[in-house]
Amino acid sequence: AQSVTQPDIHITVSEGASLELRCNYSYGATPYLFWYVQSPGQGLQLLLKYFSGDTLVQGIKGFEAEFKRSQSSFNLRKPSVHWSDAAEYFCAVLGSGNTGKLIFGQGTTLQVKP
Amino acid sequence: EPEVTQTPSHQVTQMGQEVILRCVPISNHLYFYWYRQILGQKVEFLVSFYNNEISEKSEIFDDQFSVERPDGSNFTLKIRSTKLEDSAMYFCASVPLLQETEAFFGQGTRLTVV
Repeated sequence: AQSVTQPDIHITVSEGASLELRCNYSYGATPYLFWYVQSPGQGLQLLLKYFSGDTLVQGIKGFEAEFKRSQSSFNLRKPSVHWSDAAEYFCAVLGSGNTGKLIFGQGTTLQVKP
Repeated sequence: EPEVTQTPSHQVTQMGQEVILRCVPISNHLYFYWYRQILGQKVEFLVSFYNNEISEKSEIFDDQFSVERPDGSNFTLKIRSTKLEDSAMYFCASVPLLQETEAFFGQGTRLTVV
């Protein structure tokens, strides 16, 4: 069965420090992968997506993610975190069945220290 | 920029009552979804809808749930007889095409069943 695992439930980093949020997926075919961010009281906003091609994808707000098939991972990175990046981050994979449903990970809450 | 709109933002209802959550997807999108997020848990797929019928539903989407696109613009989720465990944030999403496009999410409706 398809699944997404985000091993870190909560991460705290200092402002200006680098960030890496982990995501591992389980999927039989080539996955379509996404990272969404949810700020407090807000909906889900797409940060970036991977469908094919270059395994390093760039997103909004200075985020990037790297698809590594050998590790079944799609980790999200940012070289320098800003206080406004504090939010919950969800990794997701497009499910099989050709209906477009997304399967989400448990989410990682990012706290940024001043 | 087009966006998915959900109303109300917050609804409180008594156990056993019927609720209807409303969504206006982006106008040229063809695929529609409901997801829910129980507090502190992952975002879970409920149902997908295409061409005026359900294309896939999860185990959560039992007979108490129904969806409808009554007028070509609104997309509604009805819970016939709410239970305490239905308390959650409900997200509507829409997708223009299935191939290599991402889902656009609304801000969510927080449903509280008392």
